[in-house]
Amino acid sequence: DTVLTQSPALAVSPGERVSISCRASEGVNSYMHWYQQKPGQQPKLLIYKASNLASGVPARFSGSGSGTDFTLTIDPVEADDTATYFCQQSWNDPPTFGGGTKLELK
Amino acid sequence: QVQLKESGPGLVQPSQTLSLTCTVSGFSLTSYNVHWVRQPPGKGLEWMGRMRYNGDTSYNSALKSRLSISRDTSKNQVFLKMNSLQTDDTGTYYCTRDSYGLFHYWGQGVMVTVSS
Repeated sequence: DTVLTQSPALAVSPGERVSISCRASEGVNSYMHWYQQKPGQQPKLLIYKASNLASGVPARFSGSGSGTDFTLTIDPVEADDTATYFCQQSWNDPPTFGGGTKLELK
Repeated sequence: QVQLKESGPGLVQPSQTLSLTCTVSGFSLTSYNVHWVRQPPGKGLEWMGRMRYNGDTSYNSALKSRLSISRDTSKNQVFLKMNSLQTDDTGTYYCTRDSYGLFHYWGQGVMVTVSS
């Protein structure tokens, strides 16, 4: 199975720019998607196919990458962005998720 | 609009079988795949398996021997059954709809605790 590796946690100040990385153990083309999950809630799709913003998601969120290395960027970060962010690939079967990056605001 | 809702027991005894139902609305099970994803408390998301639009199923290899997914299209329901539950099966179980490999729609999840 394709393993997706994310750094476990990041802390940033409001107004700053933050980049969250996801590395795949094998190529996933551009079929990497990003989700935001707040405590007690289901995951919410933010970015699909590496760089496409899901409907209703603020333009502060963006995605980039292809192959094995992907990045979710939030610029500028707002207090409401405190959450855990997961990457997920759908190029290789079965679909797999990264372990999540918990974003905390200073 | 598209909705998914999980239901099932909140408490299951060790070694027993978990049975969950995902009831969907706003789309047809014969047009979209529905997946089960679980999340242990404070941990990440684990894909468990899927019911494809054509009735085929696929399972996480680590769970395959214990897991079964089925459906009743007339009731718009997808079912999960997993046997031999242990404490590390405790977590929130979600059903989610697949569109071109991404999970745009999720249920609110059902918390399952495995304990005697």
